[in-house]
Amino acid sequence: QKEVEQDPGPLSVPEGAIVSLNCTYSNSAFQYFMWYRQYSRKGPELLMYTYSSGNKEDGRFTAQVDKSSKYISLFIRDSQPSDSATYLCAMSEGGYQKVTFGIGTKLQVIP
Amino acid sequence: DARVTQTPRHKVTEMGQEVTMRCQPILGHNTVFWYRQTMMQGLELLAYFRNRAPLDDSGMPKDRFSAEMPDATLATLKIQPSEPRDSAVYFCASGLGTAYNEQFFGPGTRLTVL
Repeated sequence: QKEVEQDPGPLSVPEGAIVSLNCTYSNSAFQYFMWYRQYSRKGPELLMYTYSSGNKEDGRFTAQVDKSSKYISLFIRDSQPSDSATYLCAMSEGGYQKVTFGIGTKLQVIP
Repeated sequence: DARVTQTPRHKVTEMGQEVTMRCQPILGHNTVFWYRQTMMQGLELLAYFRNRAPLDDSGMPKDRFSAEMPDATLATLKIQPSEPRDSAVYFCASGLGTAYNEQFFGPGTRLTVL
């Protein structure tokens, strides 16, 4: 079993929908939780990061972390066709430890 | 516009040949990472350097892969001999060594081994 589990999708939604992307993990030492976005044939880029449990909002994006359940989520409100990409969750113990990535969920937003 | 650069962008080679991939990290970044990405496995960490010293290469097949940082502006990943199962996209990333290890990825090298 992988340390970080993520449904690869694909997930297809109509424009304007609320999108929910999720990951589960097994390593209770993870302290930093990140979401990277990867467009087709590009490298991933950091979208958001959260330290420990709680919520963080940035525009249309909200990241949630529930350490008690070892479950993290990314919500996208008012989804746009430009949000079509693969979203990778990523986690780290901190202290400059390596980052472990989920396999990524491919999202398509249909106009 | 600071970016991580990787060369070559595409490489097609035959089984048994040596493959060398190069990466120029963003100037001033002190961490460098090499990843391999496939549909089945996702992003796998191959090597992690901090201040040019290797910190983690546990994910790298030691018999055929090697990673080095000859200087702060160049990181290399070599495969010798290459095998068809090495076909993947190889990403280099660099960072400032923040606590959460934010990484800035290059465009990747798409490797095909026939």
